[in-house]
Amino acid sequence: QSVLTQPPSVSEAPRQRVTISCSGSSSNIGRNAVNWYQQLPGKAPKLLIYYDDLLASGVSVRFSGSKSGTSASLAISGLQSEDGADYYCAAWDDSLKAVVFGGGTRLTVL
Amino acid sequence: EVQLVESGGGLIQPGGSLRLACVASGFTSGSYSMNWVRQAPGRGLEWVAYISSSSGIMHYADSVKGRFTISKDNAKNALHLQMNSLRVEDTAVYYCARVRGGIAATPGDIDYWGQGTLVTVSS
Repeated sequence: QSVLTQPPSVSEAPRQRVTISCSGSSSNIGRNAVNWYQQLPGKAPKLLIYYDDLLASGVSVRFSGSKSGTSASLAISGLQSEDGADYYCAAWDDSLKAVVFGGGTRLTVL
Repeated sequence: EVQLVESGGGLIQPGGSLRLACVASGFTSGSYSMNWVRQAPGRGLEWVAYISSSSGIMHYADSVKGRFTISKDNAKNALHLQMNSLRVEDTAVYYCARVRGGIAATPGDIDYWGQGTLVTVSS
């Protein structure tokens, strides 16, 4: 069981918008920055969003992040086939003294 | 361009030891904190260990505490992970990951990842 909770999978049609949620607690998301990563099959993770809602360099503006309380979300608009990947949220947990990840969400572009 | 290149993975028997290395380029590793993160086959990302820029602070996941040791060699721009008493459940791709710079960054603020090195623990 991951400390941060994400839906295992989401799917949506091309050109539509999808959101991926990440639920945590006051010791992680509630207190520290959330980062989002994209992992294409067989590849290393790549930073998409940092400090809750800032777009990493070179990342498409179709990606956006938000946070409220102990939950965060990643939104992808104008879905394209190449967006099909695994997405992970991550944050530092002050109580566990550990970097905690969500279990990952597999996005399927129909 | 920031690059992280891991090495040292391979097939090892349970109870054995392995030492992973990560060589950094495109930045001065002495100025950055670093993490090791692993991913078992078909599974999600799991944080393993953290070391601060000065090597003064280390943190470990409970699953590896007492068995793994993280260290930095700033003179060689390198990060290491000494893994002892390896178990079958340690089988994974091990990634070296840089923590974003800046006074506000926490260990969870990873901005760059290496391509990973596969460790297989099996008899």
